[in-house]
Amino acid sequence: AQTVTQSQPEMSVQEAETVTLSCTYDTSESDYYLFWYKQPPSRQMILVIRQEAYKQQNATENRFSVNFQKAAKSFSLKISDSQLGDAAMYFCAYRSALNTGNQFYFGTGTSLTVIP
Amino acid sequence: DVKVTQSSRYLVKRTGEKVFLECVQDMDHENMFWYRQDPGLGLRLIYFSYDVKMKEKGDIPEGYSVSREKKERFSLILESASTNQTSMYLCASTPPRGKLFFGSGTQLSVL
Repeated sequence: AQTVTQSQPEMSVQEAETVTLSCTYDTSESDYYLFWYKQPPSRQMILVIRQEAYKQQNATENRFSVNFQKAAKSFSLKISDSQLGDAAMYFCAYRSALNTGNQFYFGTGTSLTVIP
Repeated sequence: DVKVTQSSRYLVKRTGEKVFLECVQDMDHENMFWYRQDPGLGLRLIYFSYDVKMKEKGDIPEGYSVSREKKERFSLILESASTNQTSMYLCASTPPRGKLFFGSGTQLSVL
């Protein structure tokens, strides 16, 4: 089974600053999807950003961008101009692109605090 | 707007009770999942289903069962609740190769 590792249980950032959350994964597959989900105190999981492994270009969504290093199996999330509303638990996830790829594999999460 | 609905946000049960957690999605997704979320452990897959009446065990199926009689509904059953099943339970659904859509979670306390 694939594994996803988030080595930073907690991170903090000053409001308006930039923070990078780390994620590494282990797989023997060449085609897959990677995701970052955000879980605020409301507990609702929200998709932040998605990356297809076959795309070399890093995905971006407004203030959120990723640094996808396929050879290194690394998928970090950069949050620019951090806002108080970015405070949440962030989960990295992997999904196979195979037809049988029904399972998602999650990291253990990084709790982000935004300091005013 | 797409929706995954979990029947209860908070639930308190007694040890030994049979517990049903219900999840309904309105997106006609084939795949549905039940996760358990505990601090420091992330999301762990209990069971998933890729079609009506089809189910597969995830990483931690012990003490749980599931039912999927209709495409839109996926139920998680705790046959005899125990205190170590106190947790947050998340239901999710997904189309093939798509993202996961999550419900808002059920915080279950077993006393």
